[in-house]
Amino acid sequence: QQQVKQSPQSLIVQKGGISIINCAYENTAFDYFPWYQQFPGKGPALLIAIRPDVSEKKEGRFTISFNKSAKQFSLHIMDSQPGDSATYFCAASPRGNFNKFYFGSGTKLNVKP
Amino acid sequence: DVKVTQSSRYLVKRTGEKVFLECVQDMDHENMFWYRQDPGLGLRLIYFSYDVKMKEKGDIPEGYSVSREKKERFSLILESASTNQTSMYLCASSSPGAANYGYTFGSGTRLTVV
Repeated sequence: QQQVKQSPQSLIVQKGGISIINCAYENTAFDYFPWYQQFPGKGPALLIAIRPDVSEKKEGRFTISFNKSAKQFSLHIMDSQPGDSATYFCAASPRGNFNKFYFGSGTKLNVKP
Repeated sequence: DVKVTQSSRYLVKRTGEKVFLECVQDMDHENMFWYRQDPGLGLRLIYFSYDVKMKEKGDIPEGYSVSREKKERFSLILESASTNQTSMYLCASSSPGAANYGYTFGSGTRLTVV
């Protein structure tokens, strides 16, 4: 049973558009929610992360929105660029659990020029 | 920058072979992890280690074992490779004391078992 559910599986966005990827979880012990970006042939790289004490975190064109009551969080990529084309994974980690992360199934983003 | 190095990018092994995947990190991280990545399934945790000689099972440990004799090195062992172990294997490390304790991943080993 997947602890973190991610949608959509794939996403096509025009250059300059907004890409939105959603994740949901059930375990209320989760207290750290990172997003990873993976380019073909590479390992995932940490993109941005949030803790549940804030509802939004922004870094450049990337924003995480967090809804604690709904147990959902999402990644928004503003002004999407072809260079953003990659697979994105959300993840969650419970406190005090050896840093163990649970990952979503991934979203393959294709930004068309 | 923290670097996690996986010894092989591509491996082809025969069914029944014993396979060793090696991972080395250079940042003195306490925790190390092995995941496998399959399309539509995301990343699934096989084993992890929070200290030298310590290991814990992840969600899919069957058919795998691990070894951590030194802090910087974490090995994944497929005791008798099977075709359903064909996958991308990712090693990661992290430090629980860091303010941002996300993983640093290696580039992965794509294993094909024939």
